[in-house]
Amino acid sequence: DAGVTQSPTHLIKTRGQQVTLRCSPKSGHDTVSWYQQALGQGPQFIFQYYEEEERQRGNFPDRFSGHQFPNYSSELNVNALLLGDSALYLCASSFIPLGGRGTDTQYFGPGTRLTVL
Amino acid sequence: AQKITQTQPGMFVQEKEAVTLDCTYDTSDPSYGLFWYKQPSSGEMIFLIYQGSYDQQNATEGRYSLNFQKARKSANLVISASQLGDSAMYFCAMRERNYGQNFVFGPGTRLSVLP
Repeated sequence: DAGVTQSPTHLIKTRGQQVTLRCSPKSGHDTVSWYQQALGQGPQFIFQYYEEEERQRGNFPDRFSGHQFPNYSSELNVNALLLGDSALYLCASSFIPLGGRGTDTQYFGPGTRLTVL
Repeated sequence: AQKITQTQPGMFVQEKEAVTLDCTYDTSDPSYGLFWYKQPSSGEMIFLIYQGSYDQQNATEGRYSLNFQKARKSANLVISASQLGDSAMYFCAMRERNYGQNFVFGPGTRLSVLP
């Protein structure tokens, strides 16, 4: 049973550039969430995708956008990169049962470490 | 206001001993879930244990147990018989049913297991 996978593992960009990160959810999961984790802090919620639509969004600017594909995989795009965007970007997948009941535990991928110079 | 508080930035424990990692939370939602994750230096967040707000019994998963005190709004993680491989960051997280499906994480506690 394949877990959550993310690519690339590491990425180095310069200020002003654009970046795309990719995530494939755990088998059987239909929901993908993205988190940003700055060094020494807990993850911060960026947004969540379900049925190819952004279902919920955290306190992040419009420079952060995403997409979910019919096979449930997802992309995170960040435009006009800033030095402060340097972080570990984590993707998590889950399955939300009908009626919203259940634990809907989120399972995380290994992350993409983005460095902005 | 902080939704999740973890007051111990760092903890040390001797191998084979038990350790408790503290977590307090703040919510007005009657339906919520509490989660603990382990993050080794490799970066991947590993799910450890879950406690639902309506669960009557404390959750247990192998060497992990959750000391859930609803009135105090605390959800402490207890690791029994610590192993060297338990050295990592530990995060407490909450998902509030009425505020969507995202998780709110605490700042984490770094656990170091000493041989």
